[in-house]
Amino acid sequence: RKEVEQDPGPFNVPEGATVAFNCTYSNSASQSFFWYRQDCRKEPKLLMSVYSSGNEDGRFTAQLNRASQYISLLIRDSKLSDSATYLCVVNSKGGSYIPTFGRGTSLIVHP
Amino acid sequence: GAGVSQSPSNKVTEKGKDVELRCDPISGHTALYWYRQSLGQGLEFLIYFQGNSAPDKSGLPSDRFSAERTGGSVSTLTIQRTQQEDSAVYLCASSSWREGNEQFFGPGTRLTVL
Repeated sequence: RKEVEQDPGPFNVPEGATVAFNCTYSNSASQSFFWYRQDCRKEPKLLMSVYSSGNEDGRFTAQLNRASQYISLLIRDSKLSDSATYLCVVNSKGGSYIPTFGRGTSLIVHP
Repeated sequence: GAGVSQSPSNKVTEKGKDVELRCDPISGHTALYWYRQSLGQGLEFLIYFQGNSAPDKSGLPSDRFSAERTGGSVSTLTIQRTQQEDSAVYLCASSSWREGNEQFFGPGTRLTVL
């Protein structure tokens, strides 16, 4: 089993739709979690951190389920500009924080 | 403040040549990471620095790859005797525990080996 797994997609949704991605991780000692966004031919940028209690930022909601070892990202009222690849990142402390990136989930929002 | 910068932005080289890629992290960030990303692929971890030391070099694909960091700041990634399969975007990121270990990425160096 890969350390961090994501459905590569693409998820093809109309504007205004709600879409959700999951990301599973294998290391139960993982301590911090993030969602990054990567636009085509650009560097990844932090979208949001994922806290144990869950967190919301506008149309974006992230949740962590430690028991089942997955994190989720929910996007409400999708915009064309949300089209990108969403990367799940898991940090596991093994003497240092080495982040493990998922391969990403591609989202395409169409008119 | 200034973000992570990388140079050159693009590098085209001939097979067998050596190349050196540079990363300037955000000032004060003690952790620095190198990744590479091939077209349409995920990020491949190469090496991690904490200060000037590299506790994890496990991602370096071969002994042709090396990296160093001086003064806890600038890092260089060197690829010797480049091969065509080395063609990729090389991304650098830095982070600080004071900022929750969020990684800030540079724009990358696009390396093409002919």
